[in-house]
Amino acid sequence: DQQVKQNSPSLSVQEGRISILNCDYTNSMFDYFLWYKKYPAEGPTFLISISSIKDKNEDGRFTVFLNKSAKHLSLHIVPSQPGDSAVYFCAASRFVAAGNKLTFGGGTRVLVKP
Amino acid sequence: DTGVSQDPRHKITKRGQNVTFRCDPISEHNRLYWYRQTLGQGPEFLTYFQNEAQLEKSRLLSDRFSAERPKGSFSTLEIQRTEQGDSAMYLCASSLADLKQGRYEQYFGPGTRLTVT
Repeated sequence: DQQVKQNSPSLSVQEGRISILNCDYTNSMFDYFLWYKKYPAEGPTFLISISSIKDKNEDGRFTVFLNKSAKHLSLHIVPSQPGDSAVYFCAASRFVAAGNKLTFGGGTRVLVKP
Repeated sequence: DTGVSQDPRHKITKRGQNVTFRCDPISEHNRLYWYRQTLGQGPEFLTYFQNEAQLEKSRLLSDRFSAERPKGSFSTLEIQRTEQGDSAMYLCASSLADLKQGRYEQYFGPGTRLTVT
């Protein structure tokens, strides 16, 4: 039972353009969502998070949108840079309960072409 | 400032041997998590500690796995009688729950890659 899904395994985008990564979840108890970036042979690096009381959170080039009714979130990267090439994971948790253990999607590999 | 560190970075062992991994969290963080990641998948939760108390264990964590966090500082994850299916990246993360800011992000170490031959 995959509670968090990233349906696009890969994404290719031109440098300077927008990258849009999507994530769907099924567990309505999730109320805190995060995006991580992972380079090979490194651990995931935290990018941005959003709680379910918001529908948008922005940090520099990264913006996360949350649509609770659709159980969908997305990450926008504008403008995309070659250094953004990595695997991106969305993750979900329950804000207070369950120790905030994270449930991850399967990842989307992003390639930014110069 | 040091982030989360893990040791060793790589471990190759023969089936049936015991292995132990260490994680040093960010010093002021009170929560410590272990995850496992296999190729092409996202990390999967194994267990977590609040200070020295182990508060939750995933059903993925068989009886051959044990984790400790003595004195609420570093943590160890031991796998006894390793099997080939244990081959994976073992990730440690730590966090400091910030109720006022509503932030609970976890910071990950570089991982320990285990290969069981």
